[in-house]
Amino acid sequence: DTGVSQDPRHKITKRGQNVTFRCDPISEHNRLYWYRQTLGQGPEFLTYFQNEAQLEKSRLLSDRFSAERPKGSFSTLEIQRTEQGDSAMYLCASSFWQGGGELFFGEGSRLTVL
Amino acid sequence: AQKITQTQPGMFVQEKEAVTLDCTYDTSDPSYGLFWYKQPSSGEMIFLIYQGSYDQQNATEGRYSLNFQKARKSANLVISASQLGDSAMYFCAMREGRGNAGNMLTFGGGTRLMVKP
Repeated sequence: DTGVSQDPRHKITKRGQNVTFRCDPISEHNRLYWYRQTLGQGPEFLTYFQNEAQLEKSRLLSDRFSAERPKGSFSTLEIQRTEQGDSAMYLCASSFWQGGGELFFGEGSRLTVL
Repeated sequence: AQKITQTQPGMFVQEKEAVTLDCTYDTSDPSYGLFWYKQPSSGEMIFLIYQGSYDQQNATEGRYSLNFQKARKSANLVISASQLGDSAMYFCAMREGRGNAGNMLTFGGGTRLMVKP
């Protein structure tokens, strides 16, 4: 499978715990994006990498959230001291820098904070 | 102001009929791109179709076509010959600026399409 893969697919945690999600983009893509989607809503942009550089961060990305892409390949999104409001689907996407710019999404990591 | 507006929370269509899903957008940037994605119950966002702001013709991809009316700032998705497998959430999205400046997409709230047999 050469699509975007995310791990884990589901995570249940208690409030106050830290969680980390991993995203492996399509190998030829140098751009990687994280989005958050709550129930019944469209995805909301969190952050974007070009290679290993984090070029954009949304105001939604509070200081409890940190994302990395250390070698310009896979990325991690860590949420520290989780809150119930963090419960959502976290979507990763990748793209080429050229062309129309369509994003290719993974299947998402669903977080439930109890 | 909302950048992407989808006014139809839910739509029903009879199998084999055509359906139009509405999308209006708001931007002052002359260069932008418009996208439609399908999200089935499994959760994965599937890219359907793309329209650039400078494209002269409406985009088509198989049974999907985009009715692009630039002056009205609308980018409606038309699905012809609906199939049961088309039942899903559909999201309209916009990229402002040229693609090489970053491809961050802003999404609308979505429309749930249900195809009746």
